Amino acid sequence: EVQLVESGGGLVQPGGSLRLSCAASGFTFSSYSMNWVRQAPGKGLEWVSYISSSSSTIYYADSVKGRFTISRDNAKNSLYLQMNSLRAEDTAVYYCARVRVGGGLFDYWGQGTLVTVSS
Amino acid sequence: DIQMTQSPSSLSASVGDRVTITCRASQGISNSLAWYQQKPGKAPKLLLYAASRLESGVPSRFSGSGSGTDYTLTISSLQPEDFATYYCQQYYSTPQLTFGGGTKVEIK
Repeated sequence: EVQLVESGGGLVQPGGSLRLSCAASGFTFSSYSMNWVRQAPGKGLEWVSYISSSSSTIYYADSVKGRFTISRDNAKNSLYLQMNSLRAEDTAVYYCARVRVGGGLFDYWGQGTLVTVSS
Repeated sequence: DIQMTQSPSSLSASVGDRVTITCRASQGISNSLAWYQQKPGKAPKLLLYAASRLESGVPSRFSGSGSGTDYTLTISSLQPEDFATYYCQQYYSTPQLTFGGGTKVEIK
């Protein structure tokens, strides 16, 4: 069974940093591209970042470019999101999501971890 | 970026009703469209992809259609477990994947 479990969320002050993790199991993690998608409270879904299976290709949404860094450790079956210079508008539930092979759609999602940026 | 516009943003319906949700892309996306269902406090769940292909395990009362810029999700006979928020997503223009604003289906 495919499982994605996020951790690392919490309350952080504006300008602060946080590192999210996503532990994957039930599939060959190193074969799949992964993404982070976020959802602000009561709002819709927003794609945040993409990383290819080998980490050779990385993309970011304009809203987080220069502040967030995506990475992965295939030996540990883990995905990460380092978030720096956090702003109030970064407050959201952050989901890690697997990309189906051959397409840009998300076939499995984690349960999400809440990041709250507030003083 | 390709903008995705869903309508309506919310609707009220009864069990057994036929429900249709529309998603319009700001440019043609060649059927590179997925639909997700999200229940409160839960992660989104993939329902359909390639505009009309049903994900494994998804009930056949869900169907999708469309082409070019206009797509629809139809629930043929609404069931109690279908009350949720539905999102469309284009994957034609990668990596800037974009979602519609969502349609909340509520009980009448």
